[in-house]
Amino acid sequence: EAGVVQSPRYKIIEKKQPVAFWCNPISGHNTLYWYRQNLGQGPELLIRYENEEAVDDSQLPKDRFSAERLKGVDSTLKIQPAELGDSAVYLCASSLLTSGRRGTQYFGPGTRLTVL
Amino acid sequence: AQKVTQAQTEISVVEKEDVTLDCVYETRDTTYYLFWYKQPPSGELVFLIRRNSFDEQNEISGRYSWNFQKSTSSFNFTITASQVVDSAVYFCALSGYSNQFYFGTGTSLTVIP
Repeated sequence: EAGVVQSPRYKIIEKKQPVAFWCNPISGHNTLYWYRQNLGQGPELLIRYENEEAVDDSQLPKDRFSAERLKGVDSTLKIQPAELGDSAVYLCASSLLTSGRRGTQYFGPGTRLTVL
Repeated sequence: AQKVTQAQTEISVVEKEDVTLDCVYETRDTTYYLFWYKQPPSGELVFLIRRNSFDEQNEISGRYSWNFQKSTSSFNFTITASQVVDSAVYFCALSGYSNQFYFGTGTSLTVIP
């Protein structure tokens, strides 16, 4: 079974430029997460989708970050414009959430973003 | 409030030594799940184990074992006879009613050959 796929793996951009990350979750998983991981820290949730609906985006900096999950499968996370402080690893995870049961999250390899 | 504390920032052991990684959590939820993930230098977080709050039975999987104690809010992870391939950052995580994951800051383990 294929795992969570993310692209690109690495991205280097100059500040004020836009950037987008793509995630394809494990087949059949209805819940998708985007995390940001700064160096030496644990992942921090940016947004969580259940199917197409963003059920938790409280930590997403909405002035510059946006995300979408069309058709409840693939998802795209965008930053526009990027700032120096956005340099981090962006992780995508997916899980199968059923009624009353919390699913285990499986992570992709991440996208390492460097903003110059 | 939900919180996970991994007090050990870095640990170094010599190959074949046993090592225990500590995890202490805080939650007011009566039902919750605890997880351990491994993050090797490649960067991908690899799922190791999940334990629900009603199951305090310790678990062993090969060289890995986990000790869950609700009385001390701890979920410690022991690697027996460590190997160089065990070198990675290990994260403990908590998930309660909200289904949101709360990660600790991780423990970086270096196994010296």
